[in-house]
Amino acid sequence: QKEVEQNSGPLSVPEGAIASLNCTYSDRGSQSFFWYRQYSGKSPELIMSIYSNGDKEDGRFTAQLNKASQYVSLLIRDSQPSDSATYLCAVNNYGQNFVFGPGTRLSVLP
Amino acid sequence: EAGVVQSPRYKIIEKKQPVAFWCNPISGHNTLYWYRQNLGQGPELLIRYENEEAVDDSQLPKDRFSAERLKGVDSTLKIQPAELGDSAVYLCASSLAYEQFFGPGTRLTVL
Repeated sequence: QKEVEQNSGPLSVPEGAIASLNCTYSDRGSQSFFWYRQYSGKSPELIMSIYSNGDKEDGRFTAQLNKASQYVSLLIRDSQPSDSATYLCAVNNYGQNFVFGPGTRLSVLP
Repeated sequence: EAGVVQSPRYKIIEKKQPVAFWCNPISGHNTLYWYRQNLGQGPELLIRYENEEAVDDSQLPKDRFSAERLKGVDSTLKIQPAELGDSAVYLCASSLAYEQFFGPGTRLTVL
């Protein structure tokens, strides 16, 4: 059974701080990794993808991947109240299915 | 470019009634997914299509759920008969390569 684990939270951070979201996965064959943001009552929205070990930055978001440790994280710098949402981690082994974690609920406090 | 389109957005039915959901993927996306998402959980795959072919339906409860993707574009997911436990959000997603994009979902309530 391929699994993706996340701390369900809620993770509370003050406005302007760095939010750190973590995800571990069980399938060593996983090749592609994704972070989705899901606002309450809305569908998941793709915000980051990462395929190689290391860091990938996009604006205030940085995804970090360590395949040896089977660990992927998302950092959100200068967190804003509008970042308050559930963040879903998803992994994929090329040509196979996406497996989603349960999501981490982030709350950014003004 | 239009995103993934789903209808209806909301559906309330009584148990034992049938229900159907429709999805139109992003133009050119060969892969189409149907997921079910329960409150507080991540999406769970029901079925994945590559063009017209259902390549993974191992998680689809085949006694009551069925799906089709005629002509490799639009897809329909059906439940007959619905049970109370089927209440959830049903999400359709599509992908061309490695990135997957979701439609707005259909919120199903079974009374």
